[in-house]
Formats: sequence, structure tokens, C-alpha cells
Amino acid sequence: QSVLTQPPSVSGAPGQRVTISCTGSSSNIGAGYDVHWYQQLPGTAPKLLIYGNSNRPSGVPDRFSGSKSGTSASLAITGLQAEDEADYYCQSYDSRMSGYVFGTGTKVTVL
Amino acid sequence: QVQLQESGPGLVKPSETLSLTCTVSGGSVSSSSYYWSWIRQPPGKGLEWIAYSFYSGSTNYNPSLKSRVTISVDTSNNQFSLKLSSVTAADTAVYYCARVGYSGYEVDSWGQGTLVTVSS
Repeated sequence: QSVLTQPPSVSGAPGQRVTISCTGSSSNIGAGYDVHWYQQLPGTAPKLLIYGNSNRPSGVPDRFSGSKSGTSASLAITGLQAEDEADYYCQSYDSRMSGYVFGTGTKVTVL
Repeated sequence: QVQLQESGPGLVKPSETLSLTCTVSGGSVSSSSYYWSWIRQPPGKGLEWIAYSFYSGSTNYNPSLKSRVTISVDTSNNQFSLKLSSVTAADTAVYYCARVGYSGYEVDSWGQGTLVTVSS
């Protein structure tokens, strides 16, 4: 039922840069609503990683960055570390649903 | 900082009603800066928002669940609750309670989650 589409998986070697895309539509990202990103480590609750398209909460390393353009958004992880292996979700508000929606999720694997 | 804790049965029979409560500490459900929300995650699957409510009682429900869901906020006990009726095996999931920013809809605080299994 997700209206935000992400690649199922991305991978990279330690130290590399990986990006995760989040594709929406004119009723969510394209309508100007903010995009947020979450990191979910195995067996734990998701954690807010990026809010308001590109802002990092206190304590989140600056290796994580977010951007938004048109109907899409991206999360970039630079200097990939083993501890970054997790599931990542984007999220935005959707006017058709009158609620917030999550992306399909992306599993990041550190090779 | 705010902490959220889910409580309720871990096993519900098919066709019955799932009931969960979230107790908030370190913050107030009466805050005008946040919504209070429920989100679920079926085993091995992605996240799905269920409902959210403002302290005043204003609510929004996921259209796919709207006919079966009720969310309510109890300001006197600093809690909020979820009821999901006529459950089936498809409702088996980890249920998270969460705090959602009023203007940007970012989920800035999550409970640890509670697994609810629907089975006879």
C-alpha cells in the first residue's frame, strides 16, 4: 500500500558512498510536503535520521544527508560503516490519504 | 526526553478486538506541538501508519483501516489508545506508538514496539 517507492536493497564497501532514492507523486513529495528518513536496526524500533528533507537530529553523524527535488528525495550515506547496515525508510505526508505514508524500505548491506 | 511504552495483549483471537495503550513519560499528550500515533509493521515487512490524534480529539485514520480503527487520547492519564476490531491474521504485526510533529509529520519518538499475534 506504500505510495513512496524505494529500491529494495543497496550495498557498498566500507568507506564508500551509497544513495537511496524515494519516489513519490504530486500528492505527497511533489506537493511540497517534507520528507523524513528513518533507520531501523534489526529487532529495534525505527529511529529518526533526517527530518525536514535535510536536517539531522542531534546525535546523527554528518555522514548521513538528505535532499529533495520535485517528486523525489534521496538519502546519502558517505563513508559507509558496518554499523550502517540496516533498513531505511522515507516518509512524507500524502494529501490523498490525509495522513503520512512510509516508503517501501531499503536494506543497506555493507560488503 | 519523552518515552513511550506500549501495553496490551500479545495474542488476540480472529474476529476479536485488538486493544493497545501507550503510556507517555517525560512529555505531555496535551502538547499542541504533536500528534500521537500508531504505526505497525508485519513480520518481515514495511511500516504502515494506522492513525493519529491531536490531544483535542481530532483524529485521522488510514483509509484502508478506517472502518475498524479507533484512536483516543486520555489527557488525565497521559496515555493514548488503539482499538482495531474484527482482526484477522493479516493484522499480526509489531505495533508501535509514536509521537509525530504537528507541522512536518516527522515521527520523532517511538515506543519499543509490541508484537500482536492474531491466532486462535
